[in-house]
Parts: sequence; C-alpha cells; structure tokens
Amino acid sequence: AQTVTQSQPEMSVQEAETVTLSCTYDTSESDYYLFWYKQPPSRQMILVIRQEAYKQQNATENRFSVNFQKAAKSFSLKISDSQLGDAAMYFCAYDEIQGAQKLVFGQGTRLTINP
Amino acid sequence: KAGVTQTPRYLIKTRGQQVTLSCSPISGHRSVSWYQQTPGQGLQFLFEYFSETQRNKGNFPGRFSGRQFSNSRSEMNVSTLELGDSALYLCASSLLSGSTEAFFGQGTRLTVV
Repeated sequence: AQTVTQSQPEMSVQEAETVTLSCTYDTSESDYYLFWYKQPPSRQMILVIRQEAYKQQNATENRFSVNFQKAAKSFSLKISDSQLGDAAMYFCAYDEIQGAQKLVFGQGTRLTINP
Repeated sequence: KAGVTQTPRYLIKTRGQQVTLSCSPISGHRSVSWYQQTPGQGLQFLFEYFSETQRNKGNFPGRFSGRQFSNSRSEMNVSTLELGDSALYLCASSLLSGSTEAFFGQGTRLTVV
C-alpha cells in the first residue's frame, strides 16, 4: 500500500522569508500524481500544487514550487516570500494515475508565519 | 460557479444513532469521494462514487456506507455511531473518476456523545 510521510509536524517562518516543507512517499507504481493541499482554519482543503510523476520538470505555481526527486521518493514544497495568509496545515498527498480517485495523505505540517 | 457544498456543517449525535451527511459536487462533476479527518488518524479515504457506482472503498467497517444519485449528489451514512466516529468528514468532487484535481467542501463536523 502507498504511504506518505511528513516528518515535520510544525514549521514556522518569518514573513517574506522562504520555507521548505518535506514529504516522502512509498509506492511501487511508476506513474502517479503528487499534491500539496493547504487547509486553513476554515477547514476547506485547497489544492496548492500538483506534480505528475512522469514529468521531470518541477511544478511551480507563483510563490509555490516543488522539488520532486522520483528516485528518492521525495516531494518537498518551497514557499517563497511567505505571507500571513499562508499560515495553515499543509498536506502532501498521493494518487494513482489509473482507477478511482483515492488520495493518500500525509499527517500534515502546521505552518506558522511570524510577522 | 458554486463550489462543493456539504450539509450540515455541524452535527451532534448520540452513540448508537445513525447519521446521514450530504455532498453536492460542483456542477458537471461526476465523481464524489469522501474522507474522514481525525487528530489521531489524519485524513483517511472512505469511498468514491462515479456515475452512481462505488468505485473504491477504504478500510472502514460496514457501518459506513454511501450512495450517489443521478444528479451526482452524494450521501454518506454511518449507522450505530461510536464515539470514535467523531471527526470532520470531507467530500471532494472531480470532473472524472481518477481526475487529477479534487475540489473539497468545507466538511461536516460530527460529534458523537
């Protein structure tokens, strides 16, 4: 079974600085999707960024970028120019390419932004 | 375009009762999946429905069931509630089954007393 591990329960960063959240996963599949979701206090999960495993290029969405290391099964999220609105729980997630949607989530990292 | 709507937002039930939660997906989306979020177990997949058919089911007891209607709206039911069923239940919709992007609702907070 696939597993996703986030080793940092909590992280904090100064506003305008850069922070990196770590995620490792385990799968025997060669093609799959990886995601970072953000869950603010409103509880609604919001997709931050998505990476397709067969694409070697790291995904980027504005201030958010990933470092995808397929051989190491590592998928870290870098947030540049951190803003107060970035404070939230961040979840790394895995999904297979084929078949029904079934996201496998990590335990989450609580990110605090210090003004 | 309206997002994913879950009702009710909050629910308090007594142990042994049953409960039904509702999820209306984004218009045009045919896949609805359900997740349970607890502090101890984190986010766990319950099941996914596509075109009124359950496509996948997580590792939950038979007390947890669901269905999907022809308009893609979905309900999940938990019978014989236990204290451990207290959780945030999240629904996600996507255009197609196995689609790459899932849009989540704000969840239903269920408390079992």
